Amino acid sequence: DAEITQSPRHKITETGRQVTLACHQTWNHNNMFWYRQDLGHGLRLIHYSYGVQDTNKGEVSDGYSVSRSNTEDLPLTLESAASSQTSVYFCASNQGGSTEAFFGQGTRLTVV
Amino acid sequence: DAKTTQPPSMDCAEGRAANLPCNHSTISGNEYVYWYRQIHSQGPQYIIHGLKNNETNEMASLIITEDRKSSTLILPHATLRDTAVYYCIVRVIVSNYQLIWGAGTKLIIKP
Repeated sequence: DAEITQSPRHKITETGRQVTLACHQTWNHNNMFWYRQDLGHGLRLIHYSYGVQDTNKGEVSDGYSVSRSNTEDLPLTLESAASSQTSVYFCASNQGGSTEAFFGQGTRLTVV
Repeated sequence: DAKTTQPPSMDCAEGRAANLPCNHSTISGNEYVYWYRQIHSQGPQYIIHGLKNNETNEMASLIITEDRKSSTLILPHATLRDTAVYYCIVRVIVSNYQLIWGAGTKLIIKP
């Protein structure tokens, strides 16, 4: 079955380190998204991509970057991790238009 | 995209219908209503969406008022596994998929 997977599921890193979170989908979806979710809140969009070589900033993009070199993967990089980036990160994909989005299981990132 | 208002929490007895309200009084004509849910520590799961007609699928029914200013998600026979946070979101289909998430409704199903 097609799926979307995130890795790692849990990560602890130190302030100032560069961290990359992986997202891989096997639906061949054009659209991919990264959200963060802080305790007790809804999701906020970080970056998104509508296809290979396309990336766009979302609501809370400062300190994050993405690249889309193929259809299946959208890695999220924290250039220099800060304690404010401690959060749960969700990756999602969809084919576009009205279709539903499928979400990964999340990566819990702690910056100490 | 229009904003939505949902009650922060609701209880429902197992086996009963759970009715979750959502207010979206500033919705525009080309905005759809989406519902997702998030079971503890998991990624959000799509439930249903609609424009102006009522919709039903294997998970739930969506009732949208005639003026489209509010809607209700109905889980016909709630089970303990339906305990989750339910999010009501409105968005324009032809735009990108930037879902604007509120805080949602925490639905607790009680035995």
